[in-house]
Amino acid sequence: AQSVTQLGSHVSVSEGALVLLRCNYSSSVPPYLFWYVQYPNQGLQLLLKYTSAATLVKGINGFEAEFKKSETSFHLTKPSAHMSDAAEYFCAVSDNRGSTLGRLYFGRGTQLTVWP
Amino acid sequence: DTGVSQDPRHKITKRGQNVTFRCDPISEHNRLYWYRQTLGQGPEFLTYFQNEAQLEKSRLLSDRFSAERPKGSFSTLEIQRTEQGDSAMYLCASRLRGGGPDTQYFGPGTRLTVL
Repeated sequence: AQSVTQLGSHVSVSEGALVLLRCNYSSSVPPYLFWYVQYPNQGLQLLLKYTSAATLVKGINGFEAEFKKSETSFHLTKPSAHMSDAAEYFCAVSDNRGSTLGRLYFGRGTQLTVWP
Repeated sequence: DTGVSQDPRHKITKRGQNVTFRCDPISEHNRLYWYRQTLGQGPEFLTYFQNEAQLEKSRLLSDRFSAERPKGSFSTLEIQRTEQGDSAMYLCASRLRGGGPDTQYFGPGTRLTVL
């Protein structure tokens, strides 16, 4: 079965600093992996996704993530944090076979705080 | 805006009452998902439709919950005899047909508070 673990429920960085949000996955098949962002009282917005092409995936708003099969990781990074990046971030793995095709399994989320 | 819409955005109800939520997916998307998100948790899968057929239901979906997608377009999620534990954000998502990792597009959610 698929599952996701996000290490660190809260991450705080100063504006301009590197952002690193950690995600490890468990999957019995080659995974499809996603990062979503959620702003207060809003739905989830896709940041980026890994689909077995390039292992380094670039997303919106300057975010990128690297798929590392040997480490079963898909960490999210951004070189320089901006105040507008403050939000909750969710890593997810997709069920890519059978009757539940496309079902997403989410981590518990990481709340990112950016201080000036 | 042609994204996923949900109605209502907020619902406050008393324990024991029935509530119904509506989701309108992106028009060409044939797959529709419902998720539930409680405070401090990631979204959890509830159920999934391909066109009008409900193909999968989570164990989270007790017999008080029912979902429909009558014409393969909009979907409704009904909760009967609500309990305080049903308080959560209910999210709807849709995606295109196909076996690949098509993106799921999420609506803004319906926040349910059961008093």
